[in-house]
Amino acid sequence: GAVVSQHPSWVICKSGTSVKIECRSLDFQATTMFWYRQFPKQSLMLMATSNEGSKATYEQGVEKDKFLINHASLTLSTLTVTSAHPEDSSFYICSARDGGQGVAPLHFGNGTRLTVT
Amino acid sequence: ELKVEQNPLFLSMQEGKNYTIYCNYSTTSDRLYWYRQDPGKSLESLFVLLSNGAVKQEGRLMASLDTKARLSTLHITAAVHDLSATYFCAVLGNGNQFYFGTGTSLTVIP
Repeated sequence: GAVVSQHPSWVICKSGTSVKIECRSLDFQATTMFWYRQFPKQSLMLMATSNEGSKATYEQGVEKDKFLINHASLTLSTLTVTSAHPEDSSFYICSARDGGQGVAPLHFGNGTRLTVT
Repeated sequence: ELKVEQNPLFLSMQEGKNYTIYCNYSTTSDRLYWYRQDPGKSLESLFVLLSNGAVKQEGRLMASLDTKARLSTLHITAAVHDLSATYFCAVLGNGNQFYFGTGTSLTVIP
């Protein structure tokens, strides 16, 4: 089955620093990947749609200059949280579909728990 | 804006009992997905429902879709402790994005 690998699983950083999260599709190509954010005991909030070779599409209210997304290849998307602050602490999950559009479900990475001190 | 709501948000049930989780969505869609999330973990795909009247079953879980009512249900039969988790429904939006419901946190009590 389709596997999405996300790294790191957890990271602790100081305020003002930047953190990069990687999302890889291991056995399929993903022209589109999705980045979600989840607060404790809450649902997933779509942050942005990452498009291979072009700019990401951000959801309303998500700061594109703070959450930098790069989708340089068909198997890798990265999310960089720039100048992190404690309020950025959250669980970030990437996902992709095997087969692009169509009926395939989203496959999720294991998530990255970010703690900003 | 596409909205997806689940009911109930929290569910505590005894082993062996039956219960149904409801998922309502605000826009026309014929693709609905159910996921399971264990604490501290990512999401696992359970069901893909692709048309009005679709019904899928796996073990003690059965999902159905009524596109006219914009409603999907996840029915739990004879619950066991291993089913304790948070369950999310998700609807495919126009831009190929998935929009997730509010989630239902299920606890099965011995």
